[in-house]
Order: sequence, then C-alpha cells, then structure tokens
Amino acid sequence: AQSVSQHNHHVILSEAASLELGCNYSYGGTVNLFWYVQYPGQHLQLLLKYFSGDPLVKGIKGFEAEFIKSKFSFNLRKPSVQWSDTAEYFCAVKSSGTYKYIFGTGTRLKVLA
Amino acid sequence: EAGVVQSPRYKIIEKKQPVAFWCNPISGHNTLYWYRQNLGQGPELLIRYENEEAVDDSQLPKDRFSAERLKGVDSTLKIQPAELGDSAVYLCASSHNGELFFGEGSRLTVL
Repeated sequence: AQSVSQHNHHVILSEAASLELGCNYSYGGTVNLFWYVQYPGQHLQLLLKYFSGDPLVKGIKGFEAEFIKSKFSFNLRKPSVQWSDTAEYFCAVKSSGTYKYIFGTGTRLKVLA
Repeated sequence: EAGVVQSPRYKIIEKKQPVAFWCNPISGHNTLYWYRQNLGQGPELLIRYENEEAVDDSQLPKDRFSAERLKGVDSTLKIQPAELGDSAVYLCASSHNGELFFGEGSRLTVL
C-alpha cells in the first residue's frame, strides 16, 4: 500500500533560517506529488505540485521542492523563513491517473520572530 | 471565485447522537471528497464522488456513516450514532486538474 512519511513532526526556526522538510513515499509507479500548507485557523491550501518535467518545482511564497525519484523523496525547502510561515505542512502523493491522495502526518513549523 | 464551503465549523454532541455535515464544492468541480483528519494526522479519505456517484467509499465505515450527493453538487456526510472515536475534523474537498481544494472543515467533538 502507498504511504507517505514526514519525519519531522515539529520544527522550530528563527526568522531568516533555512528550511527543509522531509517527505518520502512508498510507491513504485508514476506519482504526482504535492505540498499543502495550513496556516492557523485557515483551510489546507496548495503550496506546490509536481506532475512531470523539471524535478525542481517552485511554489508560492518562495517555497520549492525537489523530486528525487531514486530516493522516493519530495523535500520542501525555503532559503529564508519568515514568521508568517508558521503553519502545518502536509506532503501528499497521488498515483498518476488516479484520484487517491495519500497524505503524510504533517510537520508543524513554528518560526520565531 | 468562492471556495469550498462547509458547515457547521464546530459541532459538539454526546455519544450516540446523530450529526450531519454539509459541503458545497467549487462550482464546476465534479469530483468531491470527504476526508477525516484526526489530531496529529493527515487527512484520510472517507468517500469520493464523481458527480452524484460514490466511486470510492471503501474507507467509509458504513455501519454508522453515510453520505449523499443527490444532484451532483452539494454533499452531506452523516454519522449515526456518533462514537467517542469519531471526534475529528471532517474535511470536504473538490478537485480540478489534479489539485485538491479544501474547505475549512467541520470540527466534531463527541462527549
């Protein structure tokens, strides 16, 4: 069965620090990959997605993620975090051509001003 | 463009009581999902609709959960009777071009 692992459950950073959140999945076929973010009191929203092409994907608010097929990974990065990036981040995987999304358990990021 | 609308935002009930959640997806989105999100976990699929047809309800506990999407637009998720373990956030989402659009969720507390 497909699964998604997010190894960092809680991350605390100071403003301007660099961020990398890990995401690994288990599935041997073609996948679509997503990072969703949930700001305090708000709904889940898409940060970025990978379907095909350049494995380095750029999303909103300066976030990017790199798909490394050989490592089954899709890590999220941001060079310099801001206090407003405090949120919960979810990695999700979908088998290409299907509608079944599998979510990780999420990473709570707290950025200290 | 209006997003996915859910109600109620919060519901507190005693165990064995019924509860219902309503969802209005983004206009034109034919695919609708209900997810359950337990504390400290990611969303887990309960049921997926294509228009009015439930095409994946394999994860829906059918002894107490039911859902409908009669006209292929709004959807209702019902739990009867509720159990303590049903306390969670119930998320509705619709999709377009492979992207999920979520509502704000309905937080259920069962006492």
